[in-house]
Amino acid sequence: EAGVVQSPRYKIIEKKQPVAFWCNPISGHNTLYWYLQNLGQGPELLIRYENEEAVDDSQLPKDRFSAERLKGVDSTLKIQPAELGDSAVYLCASSTGTGYQETQYFGPGTRLLVL
Amino acid sequence: QKEVEQNSGPLSVPEGAIASLNCTYSDRVSQSFFWYRQYSGKSPELIMSIYSNGDKEDGRFTAQLNKASQYVSLLIRDSQPSDSATYLCAVRIHTGGFKTIFGAGTRLFVKA
Repeated sequence: EAGVVQSPRYKIIEKKQPVAFWCNPISGHNTLYWYLQNLGQGPELLIRYENEEAVDDSQLPKDRFSAERLKGVDSTLKIQPAELGDSAVYLCASSTGTGYQETQYFGPGTRLLVL
Repeated sequence: QKEVEQNSGPLSVPEGAIASLNCTYSDRVSQSFFWYRQYSGKSPELIMSIYSNGDKEDGRFTAQLNKASQYVSLLIRDSQPSDSATYLCAVRIHTGGFKTIFGAGTRLFVKA
């Protein structure tokens, strides 16, 4: 079974430029997460989708970040404009449910460097 | 107080020894607990999940949960250099909906 797929794996941009990340979850996984991970820190939730609905986006900086999951499968996270502080690893994860036994599986991540 | 706390390490153990990784959490409505391993430059990989008090063993790994003390640990027996990684503790809480909170991780070095 294929795991969570993310692209690109690496991205270098100049500040104020836009950038987009793509994620394809494990087949059949209805729940999709976007996390941000800074060096030496654990993943921090940006947004969670149940199918195509964003059910928790309270930590998403909505002035510059946006996300979509139009058909309830793959998802795109966008930053516009990017700032120096956005340099981090952006992780996508998917899971099969939302109960207390739900288990999340992570993609390889996108390493973003903003110059 | 952080919701999930881990000693950042590094924790250094000799090959063949037992590595003990600890995690405390602050939210009493925490329902389930997970340990992820993250190699440098890679994404987190699930090692263990535990939902009830006591021990849960899987190969060389044992997770221990004490809800009264709000404490969860991971023991790695017969540590190998390939176990050298950062270990993330994650706690799933129920606050209206479910949410998973990750600790910052403990770096483990296993010396050959």
